[in-house]
Amino acid sequence: DTEVTQTPKHLVMGMTNKKSLKCEQHMGHRAMYWYKQKAKKPPELMFVYSYEKLSINESVPSRFSPECPNSSLLNLHLHALQPEDSALYLCASSPGVAWVYEQYFGPGTRLTVT
Amino acid sequence: AQKITQTQPGMFVQEKEAVTLDCTYDTSDPSYGLFWYKQPSSGEMIFLIYQGSYDQQNATEGRYSLNFQKARKSANLVISASQLGDSAMYFCATFNTNAGKSTFGDGTTLTVKP
Repeated sequence: DTEVTQTPKHLVMGMTNKKSLKCEQHMGHRAMYWYKQKAKKPPELMFVYSYEKLSINESVPSRFSPECPNSSLLNLHLHALQPEDSALYLCASSPGVAWVYEQYFGPGTRLTVT
Repeated sequence: AQKITQTQPGMFVQEKEAVTLDCTYDTSDPSYGLFWYKQPSSGEMIFLIYQGSYDQQNATEGRYSLNFQKARKSANLVISASQLGDSAMYFCATFNTNAGKSTFGDGTTLTVKP
C-alpha cells in the first residue's frame, strides 16, 4: 500500500484563524515532508522530518508550525496566515532521506486564505 | 547546488503515439537519483520512474522509460502509446533531503489529443 492520506482536501480560512492540516502514512516510512505548491509551479520543500525529528526547516515563516506526533502522522499548524499563503499543500513520505528514495505524495490540501 | 531544467513548458501528442519529455540536471553530488512525477489536474503527485546515477541500464516501468545520458546530464522521460489519461503536468526531480535538497524542474504540461 503506497498511500499517503491528507485531510482536509479543501480549507478556507481567515487571516486570524488557527487551523491544522493532517497527513498520515502506513508504509513504515521514516521520513515525512511538507511542500507548498503554487499554481503551475513546482513544489517547494518546507519541512523534513526524519525519524520523527525535524531535520530541515527551509526558512519557513513561524506562522507555519509542523508537528510529528508519531512515525505515521504529520501535522501542519496554521496561524495568522496571509493571502499569499494560499496554495496546494502536499505531504510526502519516503523510506529514508537518502538520494535513492522516491517520495510518495498525498492528494494535497487546497488552502485559501481570505 | 542542484538544478533541474525542463525546457518544454507544453507538449502535444496524438493518442497512441510516443512522446519524449526532456530533463537536464546539474548537481555536484557524486551520487544522485532522478525521478519523474505526474501531476494531474486533481493535484496528486504520482511517482512514475527512478534512475540512479550508478545504474548501468535505462529504467523502464510499463509504458514509461527513461533515456539516461549521464555524460550529457540528461534524463528524458519517454511515454509510449500515449493515452488520454496521460494528460497532466510532468516533473523531473532529484532528492537529497538528508542535505535539505529537494529539487524539481518547472514541469512540462502534456496534452494527449484524441
